[in-house]
Amino acid sequence: QKEVEQNSGPLSVPEGAIASLNCTYSDRGSQSFFWYRQYSGKSPELIMFIYSNGDKEDGRFTAQLNKASQYVSLLIRDSQPSDSATYLCAVIGGFKTIFGAGTRLFVKA
Amino acid sequence: DAGVTQSPTHLIKTRGQQVTLRCSPKSGHDTVSWYQQALGQGPQFIFQYYEEEERQRGNFPDRFSGHQFPNYSSELNVNALLLGDSALYLCASSFAWRGNTGELFFGEGSRLTVL
Repeated sequence: QKEVEQNSGPLSVPEGAIASLNCTYSDRGSQSFFWYRQYSGKSPELIMFIYSNGDKEDGRFTAQLNKASQYVSLLIRDSQPSDSATYLCAVIGGFKTIFGAGTRLFVKA
Repeated sequence: DAGVTQSPTHLIKTRGQQVTLRCSPKSGHDTVSWYQQALGQGPQFIFQYYEEEERQRGNFPDRFSGHQFPNYSSELNVNALLLGDSALYLCASSFAWRGNTGELFFGEGSRLTVL
């Protein structure tokens, strides 16, 4: 079982819609969860982190964490074509950060 | 404020050759992690350097080695290159004193092609 699993997509949504990206993790002891965005040909950049169960909102982005279900999600409201990228879910494992394979998101204008 | 810089940006090698990739961390950062990202995959952890020592290593063979210098910059060396080593190699820097917050700052990467 992979440590972090994501649906590779692609996920295609129309402009203005809500994009929902999902991630599951295997280590029940994981405490910290992250979403990185990676544009094509670029390096990943951190966009959200969440430590506690529930929702965390930052602008158009909402991270959701359910530790009992070992599930993390990222919602992007009012999706824009500029949101088209690969979204990487990550968890901390000791000194390293463990990434999922990423979900490709396409926002159609 | 200089971000994470990596060199070279692109390089082509043949099987069996050796390669050295270089990374300068973001100003004020003291920890460097190296990741390998194959096409369509997420970054895979190779190893992390702190205080000039390898602090944690991922599931990579001994052909992959590294070094950290007193100025916190780092090198990744790969010996006996295989076709499967073709990937984007990412360097990420962070503060050690904050523990592993998961907040990594990535360089733009070195794209290695092995022929």
